[in-house]
Amino acid sequence: QSALTQPRSVSGSPGQSVTISCTGTSSDVGGYSFVSWFQQHPGKAPKLMIYDVSKRPSGVPVRFSGSKSGSTASLTISGLQAEDEADYYCGSYAGFYTYVFGTGTKVTVL
Amino acid sequence: EVQLVESGGGLVQPGGSLRLSCVGSGFSLRAYWMTWVRQAPGKGLEWVANIKQDESEKFYVDSVKGRFTISRDNAKNSLHLQMNSLRAEDTAVYYCAREPTTLQFDSWGRGTLVTVSS
Repeated sequence: QSALTQPRSVSGSPGQSVTISCTGTSSDVGGYSFVSWFQQHPGKAPKLMIYDVSKRPSGVPVRFSGSKSGSTASLTISGLQAEDEADYYCGSYAGFYTYVFGTGTKVTVL
Repeated sequence: EVQLVESGGGLVQPGGSLRLSCVGSGFSLRAYWMTWVRQAPGKGLEWVANIKQDESEKFYVDSVKGRFTISRDNAKNSLHLQMNSLRAEDTAVYYCAREPTTLQFDSWGRGTLVTVSS
């Protein structure tokens, strides 16, 4: 149950697009269509942004989108806004009803 | 409004025990899988355990198997985590979350801090 690999940080100017990668193995990301993304502001609880690879919960802005290719999942934020500055974590089903999270990515809005 | 509130955290010595609770409101907890996730200070998220609606299935991350027990009391809309043989590496904020479907953790509590130290 090793953590999924994410870049430590990404940054962009307001209005730009940024993409966060989440790399796993065939035992987790590559083996199932159960990938979620969570946003966490400092001192706050995580918030679900994407589930089932690309589905957006009600209330999540359309500028957040998810995708997957092989064992790498991605979260794209299109039209970056100041309030998007936060930590982002991917998560994947890892078989036998267990889950694994990514190492986390800090998104900075320049 | 869906709300989850954790309690029971605190300072405990290595080898000690602690029981965390999570009370839900605004929804019927009995209809959902529930999960515990933890976050060590300055670190990332780690899934800890989850439990089926009727307690017939429970699953744990390897590092807590045999030491932690997840349970629920649907009549009281509550979720629990009994933590025994605590270690320094168990120090973290523990969150409970609702799980409508696989990894769809759609509601989270604010967390409760557990510190394991002598």
